Amino acid sequence: DQQVKQNSPSLSVQEGRISILNCDYTNSMFDYFLWYKKYPAEGPTFLISISSIKDKNEDGRFTVFLNKSAKHLSLHIVPSQPGDSAVYFCAASVTGSARQLTFGSGTQLTVLP
Amino acid sequence: DTAVSQTPKYLVTQMGNDKSIKCEQNLGHDTMYWYKQDSKKFLKIMFSYNNKELIINETVPNRFSPKSPDKAHLNLHINSLELGDSAVYFCASSRVWGGGLNEAFFGQGTRLTVV
Repeated sequence: DQQVKQNSPSLSVQEGRISILNCDYTNSMFDYFLWYKKYPAEGPTFLISISSIKDKNEDGRFTVFLNKSAKHLSLHIVPSQPGDSAVYFCAASVTGSARQLTFGSGTQLTVLP
Repeated sequence: DTAVSQTPKYLVTQMGNDKSIKCEQNLGHDTMYWYKQDSKKFLKIMFSYNNKELIINETVPNRFSPKSPDKAHLNLHINSLELGDSAVYFCASSRVWGGGLNEAFFGQGTRLTVV
């Protein structure tokens, strides 16, 4: 049972344009959402997060949007840069659940120069 | 300065062997985790551990056991390795157990191949 789904395994975007990565979840108990970025042969690194009390969180070029009614979140990267090429994992957790993260399967983003 | 480090990075071993993967964090975090990335690329929690509580994902076979000699270390022991154990294993740590920010810091992963 995949509680966090990233339906696009890959995405290619031209440098300077916007990258939009999508994530859907099924567990309505999730109240904290995160995006991680992973380069080959490295562990995931935290990128940005959002609490369920918000619908938007911005950090530089990265913005995460949360639509609770649709159980959907997205990560916008603008402008995209070649160094952004990586696998992006969406993750979710439930407050008080020992903060175990439930991950999606990842989306490989390729930013073309 | 590596925040979360795992050794070895690669591990090739035969079926039936017992092996360990070591993990150390120098962040002063109270909570450590083991995740398994399977062939479909999902990262799945195996264990959550602090000095008071161990939470085991019910799907993890009891051949897998975490061992924590101190707060900065959480090693993973695997007995009687099977072909299906082949995967990438990630250690992680976070500052707070059950509350507050929960961004986890991950190690670089250990690619285990059972032949």
